[in-house]
Amino acid sequence: DAKTTQPPSMDCAEGRAANLPCNHSTISGNEYVYWYRQIHSQGPQYIIHGLKNNETNEMASLIITEDRKSSTLILPHATLRDTAVYYCIVRLFTSNTGKLIFGQGTTLQVKP
Amino acid sequence: SQTIHQWPATLVQPVGSPLSLECTVEGTSNPNLYWYRQAAGRGLQLLFYSVGIGQISSEVPQNLSASRPQDRQFILSSKKLLLSDSGFYLCAWSVSGASNQPQHFGDGTRLSIL
Repeated sequence: DAKTTQPPSMDCAEGRAANLPCNHSTISGNEYVYWYRQIHSQGPQYIIHGLKNNETNEMASLIITEDRKSSTLILPHATLRDTAVYYCIVRLFTSNTGKLIFGQGTTLQVKP
Repeated sequence: SQTIHQWPATLVQPVGSPLSLECTVEGTSNPNLYWYRQAAGRGLQLLFYSVGIGQISSEVPQNLSASRPQDRQFILSSKKLLLSDSGFYLCAWSVSGASNQPQHFGDGTRLSIL
C-alpha cells in the first residue's frame, strides 16, 4: 500500500472551511484514498473515500488531483467538535487482508 | 443501520491473568471483522481479521488469539497477559465481498496491565 504524507498539525477558525492536504505520490491506479478521524479516546471514524473522482457526503468533500498524487479533505464549516487527528490512507481495493495502515495523521485544532 | 459494540470500555488486569474482549456487530450479515491495537501515541496495528465463522487470520505473532464463534461476534483472548499487551484495542467491521468498502470501528477497550 502506498505511503501518505500529511502535515502534523493545522489550525482552523470555527465556522471556516478546514482543508487538510495529503500527499500520496506513489499511489497506484487501483488504490483508493480513505479519510478517517480519531477524537481522543475514541475509535477512528470513517469520513469519506474515493478512487479518482471528487466525492462529497454529509461530513466532508474529497478532492483528488487529476494525477492522483495528492488529495484534500474539506470540512466546509468546521466546528469545535471537528478537533481530532485526521488520517489519510491509501489501500489496494483488492487487498485480501483489508489492512488499513494509519500514519501519524494531522492534528486539526478548531479554535473559537 | 449497522452498529458495532465493544466491551468493556476500560480494563485493568494484572500480568499473567487471562483476557477476553468481545465485539458484536448488528444490522449486517457475514461482515469482515478485524481486531486492531493502538499503542500510546502510535498508529493502529492490525492483529487479526476474519471473513467468516471460524476463519481467523493473524497478522503478527503475539500473545493473543481471536475467535469468531458466531457470524457477528468476534472475541480477542489471551491466556496470560504481558505488560506489552497494554493498549487501546479496537474492533472493526466491513462489508464482505467488497474490499474497497470502508472499515467501521467500535469505541475500543483501553487495557492497562499492572
